[in-house]
Amino acid sequence: GESVGLHLPTLSVQEGDNSIINCAYSNSASDYFIWYKQESGKGPQFIIDIRSNMDKRQGQRVTVLLNKTVKHLSLQIAATQPGDSAVYFCAENNFRGGGNKLTFGTGTQLKVEL
Amino acid sequence: DGGITQSPKYLFRKEGQNVTLSCEQNLNHDAMYWYRQDPGQGLRLIYYSQIVNDFQKGDIAEGYSVSREKKESFPLTVTSAQKNPTAFYLCASNQGEDQPQHFGDGTRLSIL
Repeated sequence: GESVGLHLPTLSVQEGDNSIINCAYSNSASDYFIWYKQESGKGPQFIIDIRSNMDKRQGQRVTVLLNKTVKHLSLQIAATQPGDSAVYFCAENNFRGGGNKLTFGTGTQLKVEL
Repeated sequence: DGGITQSPKYLFRKEGQNVTLSCEQNLNHDAMYWYRQDPGQGLRLIYYSQIVNDFQKGDIAEGYSVSREKKESFPLTVTSAQKNPTAFYLCASNQGEDQPQHFGDGTRLSIL
């Protein structure tokens, strides 16, 4: 899971296994959550989002789960591939706070082993 | 292709110098953002603009300035007042508060 600090948590998985990346968000009033993937030297790439009126959303090979009771978000990647190796960030938005301000977690490094 | 273009990819600043980072988008998005990313950390918001000719400070605006004269463009100036400017700078845009932000590929700023 994600934590504050200079050292990114790392998740190592075997190619073909499923990956689960966790995120504890801070604001119980947050309405909207996004997962991003960032490869080295590039900008974050949108993966999937979910609104607070949902607890699960599926995309292609990815599923996001939201547990508002414990303020927890997870990203599941099915059949993990070498191209999935990257840093994954969760981000939260509170619309009632005004504007589009996202708060980002510090990220989790996913390493896919062949 | 629609997207966000940041330039230059690498930039070097001398002591006491202001430098300007470019961000252009052709997605017709109203809102644009600047973030700073330090090694092993998440993104921190510097400035954002929800509409042309308007912008607001983010969490770490000191030592930075922006303008939003055109919808497509949101340049960021790193002034000499920013004492620790070395970082990876990311520009993003989106169409509405319930839409994901899309990012450019960043500018890496270093001090000479």
